[in-house]
Amino acid sequence: EPEVTQTPSHQVTQMGQEVILRCVPISNHLYFYWYRQILGQKVEFLVSFYNNEISEKSEIFDDQFSVERPDGSNFTLKIRSTKLEDSAMYFCASMPGGYEQYFGPGTRLTVT
Amino acid sequence: AQSVTQPDIHITVSEGASLELRCNYSYGATPYLFWYVQSPGQGLQLLLKYFSGDTLVQGIKGFEAEFKRSQSSFNLRKPSVHWSDAAEYFCAVERNQGGKLIFGQGTELSVKP
Repeated sequence: EPEVTQTPSHQVTQMGQEVILRCVPISNHLYFYWYRQILGQKVEFLVSFYNNEISEKSEIFDDQFSVERPDGSNFTLKIRSTKLEDSAMYFCASMPGGYEQYFGPGTRLTVT
Repeated sequence: AQSVTQPDIHITVSEGASLELRCNYSYGATPYLFWYVQSPGQGLQLLLKYFSGDTLVQGIKGFEAEFKRSQSSFNLRKPSVHWSDAAEYFCAVERNQGGKLIFGQGTELSVKP
C-alpha cells in the first residue's frame, strides 16, 4: 500500500540555522499539508498546498517558513532561521481529493 | 472559529473492558469528522471517518464512532479493549474538501492488565 514518507526521521540543528524537511506524498495525490506537534500538545495545522500554490496557512506559518514542490514528487518545508520554539514533530500529509488525509511518520526537529 | 474538544486528557481502562472516548466540536454546519490514533513515536493512523449517512461508523481495529448532531459529538467506542490499544487518540474535523484538519487535544489511553 502506498505511503507518505518523510526524511529525515530526526533532525538536530542549532538556533538560527536553516532546515529543510522532506516529504514524498503518495503518487497522484493532489493536496499536500504540513502539521506540527510540539511535545505534549495537539497537532496543529501549518499550511496546505494545492495546484502548485499555498491554499491556506496558519498564523504559525510566518515569513520564516516556506514550502515547495520542486519536482512533482517531493514536498518540502523550509524553516529559514530556526528558533528553540520550532522544536516539534513535523508531519506531512497528502490527499487524493475527497476528505481523507494520509499522514507520514513525521520528522522530529530538535533546535538547540 | 471551529474547535474540537476532547474533555479527557488521560483515561485508564482494564483490558477487556469497554471504552468510550469523548469528542465535541464547534462548527456551524456538519463537518467531516475523524479519529486518529498515535502510538508512541509514531505517526497518525486513521481509525475511522464520518462524512454523511449512517451516524454509526465502523473503523479499523474494532473501533466505532457515533455522530450525534444534537450534541455536536463524535464519540469513539470499543467494546473490549486490548493492551495494544494503549496510545493517544485524536479527534479531528475538516470543514471542506481540501481543507485543514483541526485536532482536539488528544486523549491518552492506558490499558491495565
